[in-house]
Amino acid sequence: DQQVKQNSPSLSVQEGRISILNCDYTNSMFDYFLWYKKYPAEGPTFLISISSIKDKNEDGRFTVFLNKSAKHLSLHIVPSQPGDSAVYFCAASFKNSGYSTLTFGKGTMLLVSP
Amino acid sequence: DTGVSQDPRHKITKRGQNVTFRCDPISEHNRLYWYRQTLGQGPEFLTYFQNEAQLEKSRLLSDRFSAERPKGSFSTLEIQRTEQGDSAMYLCASSFVESGANVLTFGAGSRLTVL
Repeated sequence: DQQVKQNSPSLSVQEGRISILNCDYTNSMFDYFLWYKKYPAEGPTFLISISSIKDKNEDGRFTVFLNKSAKHLSLHIVPSQPGDSAVYFCAASFKNSGYSTLTFGKGTMLLVSP
Repeated sequence: DTGVSQDPRHKITKRGQNVTFRCDPISEHNRLYWYRQTLGQGPEFLTYFQNEAQLEKSRLLSDRFSAERPKGSFSTLEIQRTEQGDSAMYLCASSFVESGANVLTFGAGSRLTVL
C-alpha cells in the first residue's frame, strides 16, 4: 500500500514555463512534507519542505502548496530551467514517529527543454 | 565537510556471497539512515541510528541484513548470502535532530548488482 503517490512518472516542460509536480498521500498522520531532487548517479538532494500548519512555502523559484483536506501537495517551479531536469521525489513524515523516517513516492522525471 | 560519503559506489557480486557497504555521515549529524532504492521506485527505509543506537528497523531488513554504527560515527551495512532480489541502490543519509522536523542529507549511494 503506497502511502505517498506520485501518479505522473514524467513531465515535459519548455524552458521559462511553469512546472507543476503533484503528490498525494493517504496517511492522515503525515504532518511534514519534503521534496527532493535527484540527478543520475547522485543521491537525492533536499529542495524544499512544508509543515502541515502551513499551506504554502516559497524558496526562490520553488513553491510548495499543501491542501490538507485533499491530502495533496504540489511543487511549482517558475520559471523552469534546463538544469531543473531531474527526478523529483515527494516525501512525508510525522511527528509521532519523531520524524524519524521519510516515506517517499516513486518520483516524477521532469524534462525541461530549451 | 564533504557531505555523506559511501563506499564502494558500485559492487558486483555472485549470488550467495556477502557484501558490506560503508557510510561516513556528516560529522555533526547525530542520526544515520539506510535506504534502498530499486528501479522505478522511491527510496525505501531500512533502518536508522541515533548516535550508536539502532532505533528502528523496517520489515524490509531481513535477517540476512545487519547494520552497525560503532561509536556513533561511520556505519556499515552487511548483506549475507546475497540474492538477485538484493540488487538495488543502497543509500545512506544523515541528519541532525534535536526537536522538530528532520531533513536528511543523502550520499550518492552504493549500487549492488547480484549475478
